[in-house]
Amino acid sequence: EIVMTQSPATLSVSPGERATLSCRASQSISSDLAWYQQKPGQAPRLLIYEASTRATGIPARFSGSGSGTEFTLTISSLQSEDFAIYYCQQYNKWPLLSFGGGTKVESK
Amino acid sequence: EVQLVQSGAEVKKAGESLKISCKGSGFTFRSHWIGWVRQRPGKGLEWMGTIYPGDSDVRYNPTFQGQVTISADKSITTAYLQWSSLKASDTATYYCARQWTKEFDSWGQGTLVTVSS
Repeated sequence: EIVMTQSPATLSVSPGERATLSCRASQSISSDLAWYQQKPGQAPRLLIYEASTRATGIPARFSGSGSGTEFTLTISSLQSEDFAIYYCQQYNKWPLLSFGGGTKVESK
Repeated sequence: EVQLVQSGAEVKKAGESLKISCKGSGFTFRSHWIGWVRQRPGKGLEWMGTIYPGDSDVRYNPTFQGQVTISADKSITTAYLQWSSLKASDTATYYCARQWTKEFDSWGQGTLVTVSS
């Protein structure tokens, strides 16, 4: 089983600042990684797939990078609507999928 | 527009059975894997399993194998998640989601299942 570890658990950021979230895989997953955003009471929303490709309709301030075991989601200038929990998910070992534990981005 | 519409919230007692549903529209339902994801209160996302409605091929997370049954009826573009005997620990919100290639690109609104002991 591939274990996905996200850090930090909570990130305090002021609006307009840059947010950098990390995701580490327990073994290499190439670029088979997605990022999701979840707001309270809502279903998750796909942001990024293949580690760096933005999903349809996702603003350019969201970017993903990395390959192998280390991945990063960057929000270049945080907007009020970006405060949420972010999850990474690997699909390299399809059909076995796994999510990270999440990073909560909160207002500083 | 791709849509996944899930059945409504359920309140059950431990030991009861339950089947919840996820109806897809706006895409070729039989040609996409549909996954189920559990989210316990205040916790993260857990992948439970995935079904290909075209031939009902199901892949389970080993953690959930034997605990739930995933099925689909492609004629009515609906996927199902069922339990034969619920436990209090099954209390959670359950999401269905479409897999585009391997990532989940469209999600249902979630079904809250509350199980009392």
